[in-house]
Amino acid sequence: QKEVEQDPGPLSVPEGAIVSLNCTYSNSAFQYFMWYRQYSRKGPELLMYTYSSGNKEDGRFTAQVDKSSKYISLFIRDSQPSDSATYLCAMSVDSSYKLIFGSGTRLLVRP
Amino acid sequence: EAGVAQSPRYKIIEKRQSVAFWCNPISGHATLYWYQQILGQGPKLLIQFQNNGVVDDSQLPKDRFSAERLKGVDSTLKIQPAKLEDSAVYLCASSLDGRMYEQYFGPGTRLTVT
Repeated sequence: QKEVEQDPGPLSVPEGAIVSLNCTYSNSAFQYFMWYRQYSRKGPELLMYTYSSGNKEDGRFTAQVDKSSKYISLFIRDSQPSDSATYLCAMSVDSSYKLIFGSGTRLLVRP
Repeated sequence: EAGVAQSPRYKIIEKRQSVAFWCNPISGHATLYWYQQILGQGPKLLIQFQNNGVVDDSQLPKDRFSAERLKGVDSTLKIQPAKLEDSAVYLCASSLDGRMYEQYFGPGTRLTVT
């Protein structure tokens, strides 16, 4: 079993839809949770990070962490074609420990 | 602020040949990371530097991979000899001290081993 699981997709939605991207994990020691966006042939770009449980909002993006279920989510409101990319979740047990990445979910937003 | 720079962007070599990748991190970032990203997978940490010193190289195949960070700034990652399974994108990232959760990635070097 992988430490971090993500559905590879592709997830195809119409422009303007609310998108939900998810990761599950097995290591209850994870404390930091990150979401990265990766466009084709580019490096990952940090969208946001959260510490421990709870929600965090940044513009159209909201990250949620449910440690009791070992489940994290990224919501994208009013999705745009420019949001089409692969979304990677990553986790770490503390601020100095290595990141463990999921394999990514490919998102397609249709105009 | 300039981002993480990497070169070359693409490299094609034959198996058993050697190859080297270069990375220049964001100015002021003491921590530098090299990742390997195989197609369809997330990045996997190969080695982490804190200034000149190695913090974690537990997943670096040391029989063929080596890395150095001279003067605590630029870094090079070398593969010698390359195998077919080394075909991947090699990503460099950097972060401020103690902020593993806030890494900034370069564009990567796409390596194809034939």
